Amino acid sequence: KNQVEQSPQSLIILEGKNCTLQCNYTVSPFSNLRWYKQDTGRGPVSLTIMTFSENTKSNRRYTATLDADTKQSSLHITASQLSDSASYICVVRSLWGKLQFGAGTQVVVTP
Amino acid sequence: DAGVIQSPRHEVTEMGQEVTLRCKPISGHNSLFWYRQTMMRGLELLIYFNNNVPIDDSGMPEDRFSAKMPNASFSTLKIQPSEPRDSAVYFCASSLGGLTGAGELFFGEGSRLTVL
Repeated sequence: KNQVEQSPQSLIILEGKNCTLQCNYTVSPFSNLRWYKQDTGRGPVSLTIMTFSENTKSNRRYTATLDADTKQSSLHITASQLSDSASYICVVRSLWGKLQFGAGTQVVVTP
Repeated sequence: DAGVIQSPRHEVTEMGQEVTLRCKPISGHNSLFWYRQTMMRGLELLIYFNNNVPIDDSGMPEDRFSAKMPNASFSTLKIQPSEPRDSAVYFCASSLGGLTGAGELFFGEGSRLTVL
């Protein structure tokens, strides 16, 4: 069973609307969690990193949250733009250094 | 500043042929990773080098796959002989620090391999 589960698998939203992506993990002991954005035909690019002591972090229109107690993270996209169409991948690192990748959420923003 | 550079971007070959994928990591990064991405399985770690030394190759599918890192600025992933099930996008990534660091992975653009 994958130690990092993402939901939904895919979603379609209208330009200008908000959306929230979820990441649940069982990786232990936990070190940090990153959200990556992967545009079609490109490599993933890090959006933000969340460590144990951080609850919320924003990067432009992206806001990530982390609840280390429930082992859940979310990525909120505000006022979506067409350029937000991509796959968003949650990656959790254990204290031993091992990285676990989620399967990703495919986001399609329509005009 | 140049990012991770991979070549070729696209490769189409016939079953049984040898395939060599190349990667130039970001200068100064001491960790290099090879990943394979498919629709079914997402991103899978194949092998991880730290300071040019293979540390974890448990993800390498079988003996047909081999990877080398002769110096800090170059790595290859070789498949011989290739099979249709090897068709995927292969990513190289580099980072500062080893696996125990918090380092961000910087990915190349990927090499899309199609084995007919």
